[in-house]
Amino acid sequence: DIQMTQSPSSVSASVGDRVTITCRASQGISSWLAWYQQKPGKAPKVLIYTASILQSGVPSRFSGSGSGTDFTLTISSLQPEDFATYYCQQGYRFPLTFGQGTRLDIK
Amino acid sequence: EVQLLESGGGLVQPGGSLRLSCAASGFRFSGYAMSWVRQAPGEGLEWVAALDGNGGDSHYVDSVKGRFTISRDNSKNTLYLQMNNLRSEDTAIYYCAKLGIAGTYDAFDIWGQGTMITVSS
Repeated sequence: DIQMTQSPSSVSASVGDRVTITCRASQGISSWLAWYQQKPGKAPKVLIYTASILQSGVPSRFSGSGSGTDFTLTISSLQPEDFATYYCQQGYRFPLTFGQGTRLDIK
Repeated sequence: EVQLLESGGGLVQPGGSLRLSCAASGFRFSGYAMSWVRQAPGEGLEWVAALDGNGGDSHYVDSVKGRFTISRDNSKNTLYLQMNNLRSEDTAIYYCAKLGIAGTYDAFDIWGQGTMITVSS
């Protein structure tokens, strides 16, 4: 199975900050990487797919990059509604696997 | 409006069975793979099972193989998850999700609201 490891596990930041979350795959997954945002009590929402493509309707302050084993999600200027948990997920091979999540809190 | 609506959750004893349903609307259901993803209380996301649009190609996480069966009825725009021999570790919110944005199985772009399964005596 492909293991997905996110770092950090949690981060505290302020409105307006730039935040970067990383995701590492245990083997190469090309660009088959997606990022999700989940707020408490809600279903996840896809932000980015194929590592860097912004899902329709997602604000442009979100961006993704990487290929192979190392990926990043960047939020350029945090807004109050961005405080949530973020997950990466590989879609290269079954079983599909998620990272353990990164909780983004208000500082 | 694109929507997925799960039903069938509840409390079940260890060793028991349950069938989840997911009613889809607002998109061409038969054209897409579908999946179940679960989330144990306070934990992260775990993919459970996936099924292609025709219903002929299924995949499962190892921990549910032989116990869970994913199926679909394209005439009813409905996805199912038959869960047998349930264990306490199956306790979770179960989400139905549409699978495939750039590829057939790459990412989940539509999610239901989730249904809670509690396995306990």
